[in-house]
Amino acid sequence: AQKITQTQPGMFVQEKEAVTLDCTYDTSDPSYGLFWYKQPSSGEMIFLIYQGSYDQQNATEGRYSLNFQKARKSANLVISASQLGDSAMYFCAMEFKGGGNKLTFGTGTQLKVEL
Amino acid sequence: GAVVSQHPSRVICKSGTSVKIECRSLDFQATTMFWYRQFPKQSLMLMATSNEGSKATYEQGVEKDKFLINHASLTLSTLTVTSAHPEDSSFYICSAGARDGLGPQHFGDGTRLSIL
Repeated sequence: AQKITQTQPGMFVQEKEAVTLDCTYDTSDPSYGLFWYKQPSSGEMIFLIYQGSYDQQNATEGRYSLNFQKARKSANLVISASQLGDSAMYFCAMEFKGGGNKLTFGTGTQLKVEL
Repeated sequence: GAVVSQHPSRVICKSGTSVKIECRSLDFQATTMFWYRQFPKQSLMLMATSNEGSKATYEQGVEKDKFLINHASLTLSTLTVTSAHPEDSSFYICSAGARDGLGPQHFGDGTRLSIL
């Protein structure tokens, strides 16, 4: 079975600082994808970044980067130069090819950016 | 980018009412859509996989007679909460992916359902 673990229920970071949100996963399937989504208080799920299990390089999208360590089964999200608008819930999720493209979500990390 | 529209965004109704929620892929065809439920301060839990032209696949513990799913076209899936009760109050959100392999899914904006 696939499992996603986010061990940080809440994080604080000062504006303009970088922050790392942790995510570890467990799967025996060699082909899988890892995602990060942002969910503001309004509820919508905003796709941030994607990493495929066979991708050689770590994914980056603007201020977001994914620190993919395959041997450790971790896929931490790094947000650089935090902004007040980054305050939200962040979910790590996994999809595996043999699973019909279903997403399994972690429990989420509530990030608060402070002045 | 891919856009998924979900309607309505908010529903408040009396106990015993059936509520229909629509999920549309606006600029792509989605053979598969997913329905999730989210309680306050919790993660998203997959309820069912909606398959175009065939029966939905429900996750363990989800009552298929309670949560009716119809995926009649490549751009529309509907979730009907039948005879809703206060315990069905939750945030329901759909997603769709437009490709066969792995890659990002795109979500609707969700529906907040409140049963009085």
